[in-house]
Amino acid sequence: SQKIEQNSEALNIQEGKTATLTCNYTNYSPAYLQWYRQDPGRGPVFLLLIRENEKEKRKERLKVTFDTTLKQSLFHITASQPADSATYLCALDPTNTGNQFYFGTGTSLTVIP
Amino acid sequence: NAGVTQTPKFRVLKTGQSMTLLCAQDMNHEYMYWYRQDPGMGLRLIHYSVGEGTTAKGEVPDGYNVSRLKKQNFLLGLESAAPSQTSVYFCASKTWSSGNTIYFGEGSWLTVV
Repeated sequence: SQKIEQNSEALNIQEGKTATLTCNYTNYSPAYLQWYRQDPGRGPVFLLLIRENEKEKRKERLKVTFDTTLKQSLFHITASQPADSATYLCALDPTNTGNQFYFGTGTSLTVIP
Repeated sequence: NAGVTQTPKFRVLKTGQSMTLLCAQDMNHEYMYWYRQDPGMGLRLIHYSVGEGTTAKGEVPDGYNVSRLKKQNFLLGLESAAPSQTSVYFCASKTWSSGNTIYFGEGSWLTVV
């Protein structure tokens, strides 16, 4: 079956450390992949998009990598802060048409002061 | 600019009852989506629309119907609610010019007893 899997366990890290979240997919060949942040009781909010021809994308303290051979994207938050605590979701377009988007299960990140 | 608005925010239904969730967006977006989010399952696409008057099935369409009579509105209907449809429902929208960024509503919490 087609799947998008993220870190199955919640991730707890110390403030100031780098958090690394994983998104693995099977049976897809996405031209791009997205990352979203979701706070409790709220809808997801877009963070970053990375294309298949981009090895790495950065935005402030966020960095995303995309390895189409491994079928994996890594999402890094450097110098993490308690305000970064949230659930992070990866998403891809299974048909590369821009029509629909499938999401991973999400990883809950807690940054401990 | 309200973005994506969902109504109602909370609803309790009895098994077998019907209801409609309304999603309205004021961004003139072409694409609209309905997702459900359940613990451990992530966001799953129910139905989507690529433009006014069009609808298509997503990953988990059974038990739901949708309509897109006006560009700004996307309705999700439950004809005969079942306890398995207890979930948080998110509406989302996007446009080509947003670079595939998806904008989500705040969610609708539905409980079927």
